[in-house]
Amino acid sequence: NAGVTQTPKFRILKIGQSMTLQCTQDMNHNYMYWYRQDPGMGLKLIYYSVGAGITDKGEVPNGYNVSRSTTEDFPLRLELAAPSQTSVYFCASSSLGTGILYGYTFGSGTRLTVV
Amino acid sequence: GQNIDQPTEMTATEGAIVQINCTYQTSGFNGLFWYQQHAGEAPTFLSYNVLDGLEEKGRFSSFLSRSKGYSYLLLKELQMKDSASYLCAVRDNYGGSQGNLIFGKGTKLSVKP
Repeated sequence: NAGVTQTPKFRILKIGQSMTLQCTQDMNHNYMYWYRQDPGMGLKLIYYSVGAGITDKGEVPNGYNVSRSTTEDFPLRLELAAPSQTSVYFCASSSLGTGILYGYTFGSGTRLTVV
Repeated sequence: GQNIDQPTEMTATEGAIVQINCTYQTSGFNGLFWYQQHAGEAPTFLSYNVLDGLEEKGRFSSFLSRSKGYSYLLLKELQMKDSASYLCAVRDNYGGSQGNLIFGKGTKLSVKP
């Protein structure tokens, strides 16, 4: 039982490049989330999904896209990387049952630097 | 608007007790969570409160007052490994029936010998 798996763990991008941050969970959770965490700023919600085929914007969606074709996978796409997207990205998941009591299960994070 | 406030940093001594406060103003309320996050790692679940009162779990306890928009996390018998950031998060009423978590900026706790 791996939980929530994120890849890559680290990445350096040049301005204007694109990349996809991968997130997979094996807990059959309906809900999945992408957050970014900047120093001193707390976790900000980028996008979330309540099930396969359904996604919605969070607080800071600009510059990002997501898809949810399966229950397990929730990739985050950066199309034109900008220095403002330098951050640590966390994917998380929860189910309706456990989510009520335990909140989210987080992946280990992706540390992205845009130069 | 959504606002969650907690102190930026705290320092305490090994073996002591520390209380980390959190106040919140959110458009909806569907529970309050505390997470622990060690440097360079992911947040991990500590506690959950949805009704007023104290929830105790070993060395950690969490209190909630919904009328005051206030919670605290109490850590007893502090150990060096408790040095970490502590995140207060409120679940709002959006994002389907479950709601999404809104996080405070976190309190960095340093435990000294």
